[in-house]
Amino acid sequence: GAVVSQHPSWVICKSGTSVKIECRSLDFQATTMFWYRQFPKQSLMLMATSNEGSKATYEQGVEKDKFLINHASLTLSTLTVTSAHPEDSSFYICSAIRTANTEAFFGQGTRLTVV
Amino acid sequence: GESVGLHLPTLSVQEGDNSIINCAYSNSASDYFIWYKQESGKGPQFIIDIRSNMDKRQGQRVTVLLNKTVKHLSLQIAATQPGDSAVYFCAENSMGNEKLTFGTGTRLTIIP
Repeated sequence: GAVVSQHPSWVICKSGTSVKIECRSLDFQATTMFWYRQFPKQSLMLMATSNEGSKATYEQGVEKDKFLINHASLTLSTLTVTSAHPEDSSFYICSAIRTANTEAFFGQGTRLTVV
Repeated sequence: GESVGLHLPTLSVQEGDNSIINCAYSNSASDYFIWYKQESGKGPQFIIDIRSNMDKRQGQRVTVLLNKTVKHLSLQIAATQPGDSAVYFCAENSMGNEKLTFGTGTRLTIIP
C-alpha cells in the first residue's frame, strides 16, 4: 500500500507555544488529506479536510484559528496547534487519499503532550 | 446524524480460534466500507475493504461480509494470532464523499 509519513511521532511543548505537525504522502499524490484527533480508548474524530491549494474545511466545533492547516502541495499538509494548552494533549493522525471513495492511508500519528 | 457503530467494544479470543467483529451503519447511501486495525500508539492500518456491489470479500485470513439489507458489516479473522490483538475500526463513506466515518472500535485480545 501507499505510505503516509507523519512527523514528529511525539512532541512535548509548553503551554502557550505552537506546534507544527507534518503529513506527507511519500509515493503518491494526495488530492485530499484529513486530520484526526484521538483520545485514549476512543475512535478517530475528524477535525478537518484539507485540499491542496484551498482552505481547509473544518468539522463543527473545531476552532480553525487554533488548528491551522496548510496544504501547500499534493504531498504535504501541515497542522499547527497554536497557543497549545494541556487540553490539546492528544493523539493527532493524518490520512491521505488519491481520489474520493477510495482507501485512506494513515500516518503513524503524533502524540502531543502540552505541559 | 449519520453514524457507524460497533456492537461489541471488547472481544477476547483464544489463539488459533476464529474471531468475528461486527459493525452497524446507518447511512443507506454508504457504498464503500473499510476495516482498519490500530495497534497501540500507531495510526490505523488498512485490512480489507468492500464495495456495496459485493456481499463478501476475502483476504489473507480475513473475510469481510456486508449485509446491506440490515446495514451490517463484519470482519472475520481466521486462526487468530497474538499479533492480531489490536483495536479494529470499521469505516464507511458514500460516492463523492471524501470523508470516512469511523465506528467506535472493538478491542480484540488474543489469549495465548
